[in-house]
Amino acid sequence: NAGVTQTPKFRVLKTGQSMTLLCAQDMNHEYMYWYRQDPGMGLRLIHYSVGEGTTAKGEVPDGYNVSRLKKQNFLLGLESAAPSQTSVYFCASSHSDGGYTFGSGTRLTVV
Amino acid sequence: AQSVTQPDIHITVSEGASLELRCNYSYGATPYLFWYVQSPGQGLQLLLKYFSGDTLVQGIKGFEAEFKRSQSSFNLRKPSVHWSDAAEYFCAVGGGGGADGLTFGKGTHLIIQP
Repeated sequence: NAGVTQTPKFRVLKTGQSMTLLCAQDMNHEYMYWYRQDPGMGLRLIHYSVGEGTTAKGEVPDGYNVSRLKKQNFLLGLESAAPSQTSVYFCASSHSDGGYTFGSGTRLTVV
Repeated sequence: AQSVTQPDIHITVSEGASLELRCNYSYGATPYLFWYVQSPGQGLQLLLKYFSGDTLVQGIKGFEAEFKRSQSSFNLRKPSVHWSDAAEYFCAVGGGGGADGLTFGKGTHLIIQP
């Protein structure tokens, strides 16, 4: 099925560990985004990409890195996880027509 | 900078009553406006969107929203709520993809009383 796929769906990390979240889309969208959702805060933009090989910082980029080596994939990395990064992470992609497609989310707990 | 305000953190409505969720936005160009719904532990489901044209937009599940440029608002309405409408509702604003992305409000938690 066409859409945005996020892996993993759940993960528990210890403080200081690293991990990578994968986002894959099969709609040939140019733009991709990583958001985090925290209670009472809505969704906040972490990083985004306007095309293969390009990335940029969003509203809350600290502690995260991203890469977009292939158009269909957008990776979010945590080099040294902190409890403050416990959150639900959503990936999204969009085309210039303004439609956005969201993944189902990754629930990350840092202990 | 773009922003979205959802003034009501919680709203309680009786089943069968009408509903209006408020959304005010700030955006420097013609906005693309969205309403999403999220049930506990679930992802985001798009209810409706406004890009241009008719300012009254119909969505899924019987929801509608009206774009009022003069008031910078995009309020969500439903004439008669069902218990299954209990969820978190998010308003979002953005452009046509690209660097704008979407900016979300903090959400309104809808509680349905029997």
